[in-house]
Amino acid sequence: DTGVSQNPRHKITKRGQNVTFRCDPISEHNRLYWYRQTLGQGPEFLTYFQNEAQLEKSRLLSDRFSAERPKGSFSTLEIQRTEQGDSAMYLCASSLGTREGTIYFGEGSWLTVV
Amino acid sequence: AQSVTQLDSHVSVSEGTPVLLRCNYSSSYSPSLFWYVQHPNKGLQLLLKYTSAATLVKGINGFEAEFKKSETSFHLTKPSAHMSDAAEYFCVVNSGTYKYIFGTGTRLKVLA
Repeated sequence: DTGVSQNPRHKITKRGQNVTFRCDPISEHNRLYWYRQTLGQGPEFLTYFQNEAQLEKSRLLSDRFSAERPKGSFSTLEIQRTEQGDSAMYLCASSLGTREGTIYFGEGSWLTVV
Repeated sequence: AQSVTQLDSHVSVSEGTPVLLRCNYSSSYSPSLFWYVQHPNKGLQLLLKYTSAATLVKGINGFEAEFKKSETSFHLTKPSAHMSDAAEYFCVVNSGTYKYIFGTGTRLKVLA
């Protein structure tokens, strides 16, 4: 399978714990995106990488959130000191750096904070 | 500035009848427009995209959409609904940057 891969698919954690999600994009894609989606809503932009450089972060991304993309390959999204409001699906997507680039999504990582 | 409005949050159709999901967009530049489908607890799958070529775009699973610049619309249609089409559908606009703006989604229900 050469699509976008995310893991873990589901994570249940206690409030205050740290969690990390991993995303492996389509191999030739230099752009990588993280979105958050809550029940009944559309995806909301969190952050964007061009190769290894994080070029944009949404205001939704509080100081407890950090994302990395070392060497411009896979990416990790870490949430520190989780809160119940962090419960959501975290979607990773990737695209080529072309003007008409289509973004391709992974299956998402569900986070439940109890 | 870009924006996208999906005019219906819920649409119900009977199996075998046509589907129409409406989307209006706003963009300062010539946009690329996309429709994605999301089945429960799944990621988003690309149905089709418009990128300034033919205004009538055909996608997967029998869906198609027509770009109408004068109406700033990109409505999604299918001649005959199937039970497996029941899902959430998102209209997305992009103006050539990294920003993809999503609509709020339309939940399609297909009645037997």
